Amino acid sequence: GQQVMQIPQYQHVQEGEDFTTYCNSSTTLSNIQWYKQRPGGHPVFLIQLVKSGEVKKQKRLTFQFGEAKKNSSLHITATQTTDVGTYFCAAPPGDYKLSFGAGTTVTVRA
Amino acid sequence: NAGVTQTPKFRILKIGQSMTLQCTQDMNHNYMYWYRQDPGMGLKLIYYSVGAGITDKGEVPNGYNVSRSTTEDFPLRLELAAPSQTSVYFCASSYSDPSYEQYFGPGTRLTVT
Repeated sequence: GQQVMQIPQYQHVQEGEDFTTYCNSSTTLSNIQWYKQRPGGHPVFLIQLVKSGEVKKQKRLTFQFGEAKKNSSLHITATQTTDVGTYFCAAPPGDYKLSFGAGTTVTVRA
Repeated sequence: NAGVTQTPKFRILKIGQSMTLQCTQDMNHNYMYWYRQDPGMGLKLIYYSVGAGITDKGEVPNGYNVSRSTTEDFPLRLELAAPSQTSVYFCASSYSDPSYEQYFGPGTRLTVT
C-alpha cells in the first residue's frame, strides 16, 4: 500500500530557530493530515490539507501541500520548548484507513 | 465528552498469557482503529472497524483479534502474548472515512516478559 516517508527522523533545534520537516509520497494523495505527539502522550490532530498548493498557518506553524499533491511540509518559526515532540504526517492509501509516516522527533536546546 | 478512553494504562504480561485492551469512545464515531507504536517508530495499524459488526485487518494483525458489537466499544484481544508484542497501543476513532481527523486515546503501555 501507499507509504508516506518523512525526513528528517530527528531534528535538534536551538530555541528561536526555524526548521522544516517534510513528508513525501510516490503517489498522488487525496489529502494529508499532520499530528503532534508530545513525549509520553498520544497523537493529536493538527491540520488537514486537501487542495493542490494549499498553505495553512497556525500561529508559528505553516503547513504546505505540494502542487502535485505528492509531498507536504511543516515549517515552524522561532521554535519554542513547547514545540518538543514528534510530528507525524498521515495520508489515506485509498480505502478506510490512514498510513502514518515514521515521524520527525524534535528536541529544543534552550 | 470523555473522548476516547483506554484501559488499562499499563500492563505486564508473561509470555503465553492473554488479555483484552479496552477502548471506548463517546463521540458516536463510526470508524475505530487500533495502532501499535514501538519505541522511536511510527504508528502501525493493527485492525480497524467502519461500524458495528464490521472489522478488517491492518498492517500488523497477527497475534491480535478484535470485535465491534457496539458503536462505542472496540476491544483488542491478545492471545498467547509474545515479547514482540511489547509496545504502546493506541485506540483511535473518527466520524467517518480518513478525510476526517482521528481522535486518539491515551494509550496502553504493554510489556511482555
